[in-house]
Amino acid sequence: SQQGEEDPQALSIQEGENATMNCSYRTSINNLQWYRQNSGRGLVHLILIRSNEREKHSGRLRVTLDTSKKSSSLLITASRAADTASYFCATYTGTASKLTFGTGTRLQVTL
Amino acid sequence: DTAVSQTPKYLVTQMGNDKSIKCEQNLGHDTMYWYKQDSKKFLKIMFSYNNKELIINETVPNRFSPKSPDKAHLNLHINSLELGDSAVYFCASSPQGVGNQPQHFGDGTRLSIL
Repeated sequence: SQQGEEDPQALSIQEGENATMNCSYRTSINNLQWYRQNSGRGLVHLILIRSNEREKHSGRLRVTLDTSKKSSSLLITASRAADTASYFCATYTGTASKLTFGTGTRLQVTL
Repeated sequence: DTAVSQTPKYLVTQMGNDKSIKCEQNLGHDTMYWYKQDSKKFLKIMFSYNNKELIINETVPNRFSPKSPDKAHLNLHINSLELGDSAVYFCASSPQGVGNQPQHFGDGTRLSIL
């Protein structure tokens, strides 16, 4: 079953703007991960945030986690054309030995 | 020096045929996976192996048979291909411990059934 649902499904912004993507999930988690997928390529891991963490940063990426609302957000600041990709959240519950991926957000960054 | 490599990148074949996809990782990881990504980009786990042993089999038809000759390789054999098998198949790996470590993905095998 689908654990994560992402919002929006698609997002188009101009270079230099910030992009925010949201992920909602249904059951308690051990951690939540964000991945990027460029067209025709495999997924690349961006950030892992554990259930006892509220915020993590990596370069221009900022991830927040609100376990009470069962939601996470990924913020990309000062976006670049190279950030154009699909972004997926994935949850790990700690009981089922697998990651469950969300539906993804397609981000288009234009010059 | 690709970390997770899959072959072939593209596979076009007819219904009813049997085909294999190979995957190799040079990261020294203990756990390997096969995922299926459909036309809507939805990614679903199919199988997971830890040190050559099957740990996840997600109600995949038994026409799909994974084989792990050693912990660096996980191949996928598909018998009697059907139209619904058309998708992109991704191999991935992670250090031991499913889910609590980042996964590293290959670039996928695009399977098209005619």
